[in-house]
Amino acid sequence: KAGVTQTPRYLIKTRGQQVTLSCSPISGHRSVSWYQQTPGQGLQFLFEYFSETQRNKGNFPGRFSGRQFSNSRSEMNVSTLELGDSALYLCASSLTNNKVTEAFFGQGTRLTVV
Amino acid sequence: GESVGLHLPTLSVQEGDNSIINCAYSNSASDYFIWYKQESGKGPQFIIDIRSNMDKRQGQRVTVLLNKTVKHLSLQIAATQPGDSAVYFCAENRNSGYSTLTFGKGTMLLVSP
Repeated sequence: KAGVTQTPRYLIKTRGQQVTLSCSPISGHRSVSWYQQTPGQGLQFLFEYFSETQRNKGNFPGRFSGRQFSNSRSEMNVSTLELGDSALYLCASSLTNNKVTEAFFGQGTRLTVV
Repeated sequence: GESVGLHLPTLSVQEGDNSIINCAYSNSASDYFIWYKQESGKGPQFIIDIRSNMDKRQGQRVTVLLNKTVKHLSLQIAATQPGDSAVYFCAENRNSGYSTLTFGKGTMLLVSP
């Protein structure tokens, strides 16, 4: 059974650009959450999707957005990139969000903004 | 302003020792807790979980203890191996019905051969 797949693994972007990251959850998992990991702030929750609907959102500016498709795959987008957006972006998938179960993470996308 | 990097607490042990990693959580309403292991360059790896209606749960070489009175969580690793060297995070679910996890700052475990 394949794990959570995130693409791309590494990305370098320039300030002001936008970026789209992709996450394919474990087969059968319908809940996808995104997290940002930085040395300064640790792991911080961005948003969570279930059945193509955003169910919860963290304390991030509107430049951060996401969506989920009918096959549960999810994308997140960051517009007008800032240097501080450099981070490891992690996606986690869970079977359901009605009752919290194990959340499994992908390898992450390392975004560097220059 | 200048960002300050997290200064992770570090636990250094010898191979074969038992390790205990501690975590304090803040929300008494949290009802689900997970321990993750993160190796350099990788995403967090699920180790073990526990629900708030339990005090203890055991896995292979790992045990999680939950003390709701003092809002404390611990991860015990038996016979620690060099491959256990990593950063360990506890995470809590504060929003029943959502999968959102709130993470602690992490503890670095260093295992010497």
